[in-house]
Amino acid sequence: DGGITQSPKYLFRKEGQNVTLSCEQNLNHDAMYWYRQDPGQGLRLIYYSQIVNDFQKGDIAEGYSVSREKKESFPLTVTSAQKNPTAFYLCDSSIDLGMGRQPQHFGDGTRLSIL
Amino acid sequence: DAKTTQPTSMDCAEGRAANLPCNHSTISGNEYVYWYRQIHSQGPQYIIHGLKNNETNEMASLIITEDRKSSTLILPHATLRDTAVYYCIVSPRITHGSSYTGKLIFGQGTTLQVKP
Repeated sequence: DGGITQSPKYLFRKEGQNVTLSCEQNLNHDAMYWYRQDPGQGLRLIYYSQIVNDFQKGDIAEGYSVSREKKESFPLTVTSAQKNPTAFYLCDSSIDLGMGRQPQHFGDGTRLSIL
Repeated sequence: DAKTTQPTSMDCAEGRAANLPCNHSTISGNEYVYWYRQIHSQGPQYIIHGLKNNETNEMASLIITEDRKSSTLILPHATLRDTAVYYCIVSPRITHGSSYTGKLIFGQGTTLQVKP
């Protein structure tokens, strides 16, 4: 079945360490998105990519980096510059077929904590 | 900023219809209304979306007012498993090479508690 796969499900980061969260989709979607969710809050957009080799900052991009070398993959790196990385990270993809953004289920998320 | 306003929380009796309101008074002509829900510690789940006509699927119905400034999500027979945070979102179509991105801007949502 097609879908979005995020890994790992749980991740721990040491002080000063960069960690990379994986997001893969086999839906042939052009657009992919990364969101961050803090407890009791809605999702906030970190980065998004509309097409391979192109991406844009979202509302809270500081301390994060992304790449989009392949259509299927949109990894997110949480750098040591992100001082408060503990959160639930969600990846999403989408396509517009002329009837609005065709929604798909988000990935199951990665929960990142600081050691 | 989120472009929608929803009540913070609502209760509903099991088996009854749950009617979740959303105000989106600044919606523009090319923006769709989407509803997602999120059960604790899971990714958001798509429910339904619409432009200006009422929509119905196996999960819910979406009623959009004629002026499109508000909408209501209806879960016809709420069950305990429908307890979740429900997000109402407006988002334009994706258009490559333009400022439209298809990104979803989430507000706080409505916490729906279905009670036995």
